[in-house]
Amino acid sequence: KQEVTQIPAALSVPEGENLVLNCSFTDSAIYNLQWFRQDPGKGLTSLLLIQSSQREQTSGRLNASLDKSSGRSTLYIAASQPGDSATYLCAVKYGGGADGLTFGKGTHLIIQP
Amino acid sequence: DAGVIQSPRHEVTEMGQEVTLRCKPISGHDYLFWYRQTMMRGLELLIYFNNNVPIDDSGMPEDRFSAKMPNASFSTLKIQPSEPRDSAVYFCASMNFYNEQFFGPGTRLTVL
Repeated sequence: KQEVTQIPAALSVPEGENLVLNCSFTDSAIYNLQWFRQDPGKGLTSLLLIQSSQREQTSGRLNASLDKSSGRSTLYIAASQPGDSATYLCAVKYGGGADGLTFGKGTHLIIQP
Repeated sequence: DAGVIQSPRHEVTEMGQEVTLRCKPISGHDYLFWYRQTMMRGLELLIYFNNNVPIDDSGMPEDRFSAKMPNASFSTLKIQPSEPRDSAVYFCASMNFYNEQFFGPGTRLTVL
């Protein structure tokens, strides 16, 4: 069974710190990997998409890396702000691209002002 | 673009009643997905469509669940009869050419 694991499950850090969220997956034959943000009671917002042929993607203060051989991805958030507080979800697409996403359980992030 | 649109945003119903959830994908996206989110199981894929045709419904939990996509701009997920264990947030998502999925705001379903 293909599984996606996110560590830690929860994280609380002071404002301004740089932080790393981790995602691991059991099957390295992925098609792509997507990082989402979910605010309480809201839908999912796509943050970054990394294709299987890519090593990293950047958007503003966010940087996501992908290491297929080790089955890992990291989401790096620079200079964290209270507005970054949310649950961050990692999702992997396996197979030929048209399959659904397999999600991790998420990391609940709190940035302390 | 308005993004993926779902209705209703909240639904409270009694056990045994029929529930219909609706979704309008982003225009031009050929793939549409239905997911369910619960505290215990997280986000799980229920079914997905390509060009209005159901491709994989292996995630649909029981025969009480059914989904249709009569045209490129509309899909429904129906539960009949509903049960308390169906209480969850149901998300619809559509996918672009680059295989990036975009999610709607979800429908929070409570079955009493």
